[in-house]
Amino acid sequence: QSALTQPPSASGTAGQRVTISCSGTRSNIGSNAVNWYQQLPGTAPKLLIFNNNQRPSGVPGRFSGSKSGTSASLAISGLQSEDEADYHCATWDDSLNGPYVFGTGTQVTVL
Amino acid sequence: QVHLVQSGADVKKPGASVKVSCKASGYTFTSYVINWVRQAPGQRLEWMGWINAGNDETKYSQKFQGRVTLTRDTSANTVYMELSGLRSEDTTIYYCARGGDFDHWGQGTLVTVSS
Repeated sequence: QSALTQPPSASGTAGQRVTISCSGTRSNIGSNAVNWYQQLPGTAPKLLIFNNNQRPSGVPGRFSGSKSGTSASLAISGLQSEDEADYHCATWDDSLNGPYVFGTGTQVTVL
Repeated sequence: QVHLVQSGADVKKPGASVKVSCKASGYTFTSYVINWVRQAPGQRLEWMGWINAGNDETKYSQKFQGRVTLTRDTSANTVYMELSGLRSEDTTIYYCARGGDFDHWGQGTLVTVSS
């Protein structure tokens, strides 16, 4: 199954805005909603954004998501030290057997 | 609130099988699918398959078809993932996650394959 492509790393100082891209194909991002997960070191992933731009209860408003065509992006506004984590995009794929495909992951560092 | 609690770490020999459990609480067990995902060190998350806890329907990733079996016990609100023909590259952390959006995750189970 193909992976979604993310930059391996992103960084910013506290208070800055950081954006992470996620590139896919017509059969995955182009056809289905995108979710984003935050994974703090040594812990399980946590749902951060679902249905392209919806935040689950408890997720701060500084996290936002968007999608256009076969790409999606996650923005973190007002970066905080506790945002230092790995971020993964994901979506269903309409190809054979319809797998759930994850991105290659982006490590965010707060400088 | 919703909790998914997985069984503890396990060590298996190459060629053996492993069975990991995922016990759900805090919601109606039969209303959601449970997915299984694994993550090798430094690698991306990898979806293995899902089981519909309500009707026992399963769907597997092509990569694991024939090697993975998902089952559920509605009396125990528990889903099981069995992986057979273990090899060294199956040494990784296995997670269960709820629903089509993977909105709640288990804590992860480390499976080590070593002779």
